[in-house]
Amino acid sequence: AQKVTQAQTEISVVEKEDVTLDCVYETRDTTYYLFWYKQPPSGELVFLIRRNSFDEQNEISGRYSWNFQKSTSSFNFTITASQVVDSAVYFCALSESDYGGSQGNLIFGKGTKLSVKP
Amino acid sequence: DADVTQTPRNRITKTGKRIMLECSQTKGHDRMYWYRQDPGLGLRLIYYSFDVKDINKGEISDGYSVSRQAQAKFSLSLESAIPNQTALYFCATSDGNTGYEKLFFGSGTQLSVL
Repeated sequence: AQKVTQAQTEISVVEKEDVTLDCVYETRDTTYYLFWYKQPPSGELVFLIRRNSFDEQNEISGRYSWNFQKSTSSFNFTITASQVVDSAVYFCALSESDYGGSQGNLIFGKGTKLSVKP
Repeated sequence: DADVTQTPRNRITKTGKRIMLECSQTKGHDRMYWYRQDPGLGLRLIYYSFDVKDINKGEISDGYSVSRQAQAKFSLSLESAIPNQTALYFCATSDGNTGYEKLFFGSGTQLSVL
């Protein structure tokens, strides 16, 4: 069965600190997709990144970076030089693939609440 | 205007009442989804629809029903609401052009069942 585990329920850092949000997944599929979504206090869900299982290259986007390691079934998310606006709940998610594409029905982790204090 | 619109934004109802949450989209996407978010539990899939004639149960469909009235509309019904259905409900869409796995979410409907 598919499962996504975000062991960190809440993290609190001071502005400008680096912070890593952990995500461990379980799946029997050889083809799958991984995602990170951000949910700020306003409540909407903001797509951050998707990664397919064949692409293990790490990715950097500004202050955000993602480390995908199939060997440990992990897809960790690092925010460098955190800012107050980064305060949000962050969800990691997993999607199966069918016929080469995703079914779109994501399995979400329980989320990590990040608080960045000034 | 939002691409994925959910109505109402907030709803308070009583146990046993029938309630419908509505979702409409202007993105032209063929797939639509209903998720439920509970504190500490993340989001869980209730139902999803690949097109107007294709509706599928998700992880937690019991107590819910859906209707895909048109490609752009996907409504979620609680036939007889109960307090443990109090949650934040999200509608989402996706399509093959951007990748079915990339979901676009509405702003959510906060439902409280008393």
